[in-house]
Amino acid sequence: AQRVTQPEKLLSVFKGAPVELKCNYSYSGSPELFWYVQYSRQRLQLLLRHISRESIKGFTADLNKGETSFHLKKPFAQEEDSAMYYCALSGLITSGGSYIPTFGRGTSLIVHP
Amino acid sequence: GAVVSQHPSRVICKSGTSVKIECRSLDFQATTMFWYRQFPKKSLMLMATSNEGSKATYEQGVEKDKFLINHASLTLSTLTVTSAHPEDSSFYICSASGGAGRGVGGYTFGSGTRLTVV
Repeated sequence: AQRVTQPEKLLSVFKGAPVELKCNYSYSGSPELFWYVQYSRQRLQLLLRHISRESIKGFTADLNKGETSFHLKKPFAQEEDSAMYYCALSGLITSGGSYIPTFGRGTSLIVHP
Repeated sequence: GAVVSQHPSRVICKSGTSVKIECRSLDFQATTMFWYRQFPKKSLMLMATSNEGSKATYEQGVEKDKFLINHASLTLSTLTVTSAHPEDSSFYICSASGGAGRGVGGYTFGSGTRLTVV
């Protein structure tokens, strides 16, 4: 089985403050992890994935296999970062050979001016 | 980039009727499509995975006779909610993968369909 846990439903910070959205996963194999973001009234979109080790919109996330975590971080939050963030894991394979993504319940980030 | 079009965006139907939701990949071939249900303030719940040309694989607890999924082509998957009831009211989202490995580039999502059964 594969599971993704996002312990915080809501994270509220002020502009300029550091942000860390937590994500822990459970999977026996070698997972691929993603962060997706959903801005108000928009569709889910990929923010970043661990294999690319990139920084998008100032966000970074490092896969820590020892702690089975993939926390999303940004040193200085902006108001436009306010959105719903979902951590996702891709590990299990369907009979057709496709990888099945599992999502965490999401964390709502609110950045106050 | 990859685009997935989902229609309709909103639909209201009477209890007992059926509703079809379409999910199209516009600029890539989606060998695999996923259908999710999103509850308010909760996560995306994977309902089923469909591979083009084969039967969909349903998650535990999802009624396959109620949520009919057809993935007849590499660019189109449909979800039909049959004999809809008010408790089926929800937000349904499709997602597509080009199948190039483990979601290389991630999964592309449709904009979702808000279904209200009255």
